[in-house]
Amino acid sequence: KAGVTQTPRYLIKTRGQQVTLSCSPISGHRSVSWYQQTPGQGLQFLFEYFSETQRNKGNFPGRFSGRQFSNSRSEMNVSTLELGDSALYLCASSRDRGGNIQYFGAGTRLSVL
Amino acid sequence: EDQVTQSPEALRLQEGESSSLNCSYTVSGLRGLFWYRQDPGKGPEFLFTLYSAGEEKEKERLKATLTKKESFLHITAPKPEDSATYLCAVQAGTALIFGKGTTLSVSS
Repeated sequence: KAGVTQTPRYLIKTRGQQVTLSCSPISGHRSVSWYQQTPGQGLQFLFEYFSETQRNKGNFPGRFSGRQFSNSRSEMNVSTLELGDSALYLCASSRDRGGNIQYFGAGTRLSVL
Repeated sequence: EDQVTQSPEALRLQEGESSSLNCSYTVSGLRGLFWYRQDPGKGPEFLFTLYSAGEEKEKERLKATLTKKESFLHITAPKPEDSATYLCAVQAGTALIFGKGTTLSVSS
């Protein structure tokens, strides 16, 4: 059974640009969550999507957005990149919402120069 | 405010030297406590989930326990391949609130 797939694995962008990251969940999983991991703050929740709708959102500015497609695949977008957005972005999928185990992908390493 | 604190931040052990990692939490209405292992350059790998005080789970050299305020991850006779960062998280709604992790190094 294939795991959570994130693409690309690495990205280098400059300040002011925008970026789109992709996540394919485990087959049959309908909930997709996104997290940002940095050395200083650790893993922080960005948002959760279920049935193509954002169901929950963490404390991040509006520059961070996402969407989910009918096949449960998800994308997240960061506009007007700042140096502080450099991080590992992790996607996790679970079968349903709440109380289910979240399985993580390998992440996308974003570097903003 | 929901919060998770892990200690110690780093732990160095000799092969075979057993120890415990601590995860203290405050959350309104615990819906689950999760332990993950993360290797460098990889995403977190699920280890255990615990739902109620008194619950215990075991897997190979690892054993997780849960009380009303904290969880322990006991590592018995660790091997070098157990070296990794161990993350604790609590479920708050549908989001996971993570601690900063404990980085374990096991030398032979």
